[in-house]
Amino acid sequence: LAKTTQPISMDSYEGQEVNITCSHNNIATNDYITWYQQFPSQGPRFIIQGYKTKVTNEVASLFIPADRKSSTLSLPRVSLSDTAVYYCLVGGRPQWNFVFGPGTRLSVLP
Amino acid sequence: ETGVTQTPRHLVMGMTNKKSLKCEQHLGHNAMYWYKQSAKKPLELMFVYSLEERVENNSVPSRFSPECPNSSHLFLHLHTLQPEDSALYLCASSQEVESLLASQFFGPGTRLTVL
Repeated sequence: LAKTTQPISMDSYEGQEVNITCSHNNIATNDYITWYQQFPSQGPRFIIQGYKTKVTNEVASLFIPADRKSSTLSLPRVSLSDTAVYYCLVGGRPQWNFVFGPGTRLSVLP
Repeated sequence: ETGVTQTPRHLVMGMTNKKSLKCEQHLGHNAMYWYKQSAKKPLELMFVYSLEERVENNSVPSRFSPECPNSSHLFLHLHTLQPEDSALYLCASSQEVESLLASQFFGPGTRLTVL
């Protein structure tokens, strides 16, 4: 299983773009990169998933370099409600056989 | 609202009690999961069910006993728990066990406190 490393915490201000980088040096060929968001006392919520290059949806963008040894979650113009823990996961099918790391605690300040 | 509900949302129990956590999914999924999230610890996978059959038991103590009577319902029976079992217990479902992570939907969790 690919191990991931993320910053433990980050601070940002409303309206700024936030980039959270995840390192996964031993990612396997069939592994996907997935990001989840979790608010206190709630279950994780899927944000975005990708395999290579760039993926964008209505919530975020995911940038993956050619070597796939890292990935960056980009949240445009964050608001106070984006304060949460963000998890980077790497794995292939079946993806229930994965390990959640400690995640990155993002605090958005007014 | 993810289509996965859990009851109760909060539970306080003594070490000698027996209680059950319930999870129900309204998504027509075939796979269901139990996770444990302790304070300041990462999310841990406990059990995986596919079409009511258990396919994974992630070295969970026998004081936790899962039950999946049908593909829409999942229970976690608790007995003689320890204070260190206090945690947020999360249920999730996905279309199939082979699904990509993106298709897992989590419930709101049950906050369990063992006294």
